[in-house]
Amino acid sequence: AQKVTQAQTEISVVEKEDVTLDCVYETRDTTYYLFWYKQPPSGELVFLIRRNSFDEQNEISGRYSWNFQKSTSSFNFTITASQVVDSAVYFCALSENTGNQFYFGTGTSLTVIP
Amino acid sequence: NAGVTQTPKFRILKIGQSMTLQCTQDMNHNYMYWYRQDPGMGLKLIYYSVGAGITDKGEVPNGYNVSRSTTEDFPLRLELAAPSQTSVYFCASSRGQDQPQHFGDGTRLSIL
Repeated sequence: AQKVTQAQTEISVVEKEDVTLDCVYETRDTTYYLFWYKQPPSGELVFLIRRNSFDEQNEISGRYSWNFQKSTSSFNFTITASQVVDSAVYFCALSENTGNQFYFGTGTSLTVIP
Repeated sequence: NAGVTQTPKFRILKIGQSMTLQCTQDMNHNYMYWYRQDPGMGLKLIYYSVGAGITDKGEVPNGYNVSRSTTEDFPLRLELAAPSQTSVYFCASSRGQDQPQHFGDGTRLSIL
């Protein structure tokens, strides 16, 4: 079974629209860590945010916001007023407290149309 | 700041050849990782290391080997290259398992 599921394979939005990228995770650990990464067309991986399992506060950083809900095992990412530069593949990832492995979702490819 | 440096950036191998992908980091991170990314897919963990002299298998270790003789370097070895190993390989490092990973720019490897 997938540890991290990103059901949306591809999303297209028109510039200035809001868009939410879904991430559902699976773990039996009570302590774990969730991450979002961005991979623009140039190919590098850029860290966006980290959350630990004890911190369910939502976070806002400029046009980006994250909604962490343990009850639904979800860690969704919203981009407000999307811009062409937001076009990229976005990955959600999970690190469990037991073991040292990292699990990435399959990614959501976001295209922002001008 | 160099961060995580991977060499080479591109490589074409013939089936059965061997090669080593180099990875070095200058952040004094204990944790280092090797991933492969197949087209349209996420990253799969090949091997990881929690410090010099300590390595362990990830999800997809078959066909690969690693070593970690220093904190800075974490090379990945392909012994008998197979077409299924055509992929983009990323090296990453972090201060700990609960910390964000810093990634290199990747090595694009094709095996023909």
